[in-house]
Amino acid sequence: DGGITQSPKYLFRKEGQNVTLSCEQNLNHDAMYWYRQDPGQGLRLIYYSQIVNDFQKGDIAEGYSVSREKKESFPLTVTSAQKNPTAFYLCASSIPRGGTDTQYFGPGTRLTVL
Amino acid sequence: GNSVTQMEGPVTLSEEAFLTINCTYTATGYPSLFWYVQYPGEGLQLLLKATKADDKGSNKGFEATYRKETTSFHLEKGSVQVSDSAVYFCALSLSGSARQLTFGSGTQLTVLP
Repeated sequence: DGGITQSPKYLFRKEGQNVTLSCEQNLNHDAMYWYRQDPGQGLRLIYYSQIVNDFQKGDIAEGYSVSREKKESFPLTVTSAQKNPTAFYLCASSIPRGGTDTQYFGPGTRLTVL
Repeated sequence: GNSVTQMEGPVTLSEEAFLTINCTYTATGYPSLFWYVQYPGEGLQLLLKATKADDKGSNKGFEATYRKETTSFHLEKGSVQVSDSAVYFCALSLSGSARQLTFGSGTQLTVLP
């Protein structure tokens, strides 16, 4: 079955540590995205990538980094520079196609900083 | 800039009641409009979408009509079930842009048996 996988589902980190969240898709989608969700709020875009080896900052990129070495993979690193990293992180992918950029989401990773 | 405004929740209904969740938007250009649903502890699932004015998106008994004149995309269902309990997000994306979805803040729906 095609889909988007994120791992791990739950992640705990000590302050000052970097941590990397995995996102893999086998949908053959060109574009991938990372969003952050805080309680009672909508999703905010962290980074996005339209093609391999290229990515752009979203609205809240500070304290995060990404790479896109393969079409299927778009890992997100939460660095120690991110002041409030505890949140639910969602990865998505899409085929940019005219005006109907439907995005499909993974199950999410809940990060807690201890 | 672009923005999406949803009616604030939480919304609590009895089973078989009629559901409306209001959504209005502001956009430069002609956006595509989406409703996503999020069940507890999970990611978002696309519920329905509409890409141009007067289009009606529908899925699983839910419907929403793209109203350009009122810049709205209200979600409706004639008879809700307990299994519809979730958070519902309205979102827009602009034509030709692969960059992002702009989301509303979400509306929590609880359906009681």
